[in-house]
Amino acid sequence: DIQMTQSPSSLSASVGDSVTITCRASQSISSYLNWYQQKPGKAPKLLIYTASSLQSGVPSRFSGSGSGTDFTLTISSLQPDDFATYYCQQSYSTPYTFGQGTKLEIK
Amino acid sequence: EVHLAESGGGLVQPGGSLRLSCAASGFTFSNYAMNWVRQAPGKGLEWVSAISGSADSTYYAESVKGRFTISRDNSKNTLYLQMISLRAEDTAVYYCAKKFYGSGSYSPLDYWGQGTLVTVTS
Repeated sequence: DIQMTQSPSSLSASVGDSVTITCRASQSISSYLNWYQQKPGKAPKLLIYTASSLQSGVPSRFSGSGSGTDFTLTISSLQPDDFATYYCQQSYSTPYTFGQGTKLEIK
Repeated sequence: EVHLAESGGGLVQPGGSLRLSCAASGFTFSNYAMNWVRQAPGKGLEWVSAISGSADSTYYAESVKGRFTISRDNSKNTLYLQMISLRAEDTAVYYCAKKFYGSGSYSPLDYWGQGTLVTVTS
């Protein structure tokens, strides 16, 4: 199975800051890496797919990059609505494993 | 508008069984692979199972293989997850989710239901 490791596990930032979350795969997954946002009590929401493609309706302050084993999610100019938990997921092969999540909190 | 609605969760004893359903609307159900993903209380997301649009291919996480069966009824636009031999560690919110690309290969999950809670306890 492909292991997905996110860092950091938690992060404190202020409105207006820029933050970066990293996701590393245990083997190459090409660009088949997706990012989701989840708020408490809600279902996950797709933000970025195939490493860098922005899902329709997602603000352009969200961006993704990477290929192979190393990927990043960057949120520029944080807004109050962005404080949530973020997960990466590989869709290269089953089982479609998720990272352990990164909780983004308001400083 | 795409809508996914899970049902069938509840309280069950260890060793018991439960069948979850996911009613889909707003898209051509038979054209899309579907998935189940679960989330234990306070924990992260865990992919559970996937099924192709025509139901000819199914996939499972090792943790549920042999105990869970994914299926679908394209005439009813409904996805199922039959769960047997349930364990305490199966306690979670179970989400159904639609694949973005119809075939499912390499595809992210673009729409999710609201989830249904399964609690396995004596």
